[in-house]
Amino acid sequence: AQKITQTQPGMFVQEKEAVTLDCTYDTSDQSYGLFWYKQPSSGEMIFLIYQGSYDEQNATEGRYSLNFQKARKSANLVISASQLGDSAMYFCAMRANAGGTSYGKLTFGQGTILTVHP
Amino acid sequence: DAGVTQSPTHLIKTRGQHVTLRCSPISGHKSVSWYQQVLGQGPQFIFQYYEKEERGRGNFPDRFSARQFPNYSSELNVNALLLGDSALYLCASSFGHLGNTIYFGEGSWLTVV
Repeated sequence: AQKITQTQPGMFVQEKEAVTLDCTYDTSDQSYGLFWYKQPSSGEMIFLIYQGSYDEQNATEGRYSLNFQKARKSANLVISASQLGDSAMYFCAMRANAGGTSYGKLTFGQGTILTVHP
Repeated sequence: DAGVTQSPTHLIKTRGQHVTLRCSPISGHKSVSWYQQVLGQGPQFIFQYYEKEERGRGNFPDRFSARQFPNYSSELNVNALLLGDSALYLCASSFGHLGNTIYFGEGSWLTVV
């Protein structure tokens, strides 16, 4: 079984500063994927970034980067130059990519609420 | 291009009733998954369909069922609604069974009274 832990219920950041949202995971799968999503109050889950377990480089998408430390089983999201519109709930999720009971499905953490102050 | 579309966006049902939620994936996407998100929690996996076949089922009772149509759209059906079924139901689509980009719709907010 897979488990995602997000230990920060809420985070605050000043506009234009960088912020790191923590995510640790537990899995016995060798091949897996890690995802980050943003969920505004409207409810839509917005895909941000993906990291495969065999990817050697940390994933980056614009202002988002994923600090992947495989040995520590962590996949932290770094948002650079925070904007007011970044205020939302952020979810870390993982998926087994090669069989097992978690094959194909996303397992989500509890989320972190990010508030960006002007 | 249109994203993942879900309908209805909001609905209120009475305990014991039946509900059907609909999802149209992004054009070209063949995989559709359903998730339930209860207030204050992360989404929980319900079903995944790929190429019109069920590829995965989460830990939900048999009151929950789904199907995928030839055009890859999907329906989630819930029978004998309980108060605890009140949640945001999210549909996700990806090109393949293990797509690296999984896109969600805006969800269907279900309230059971």
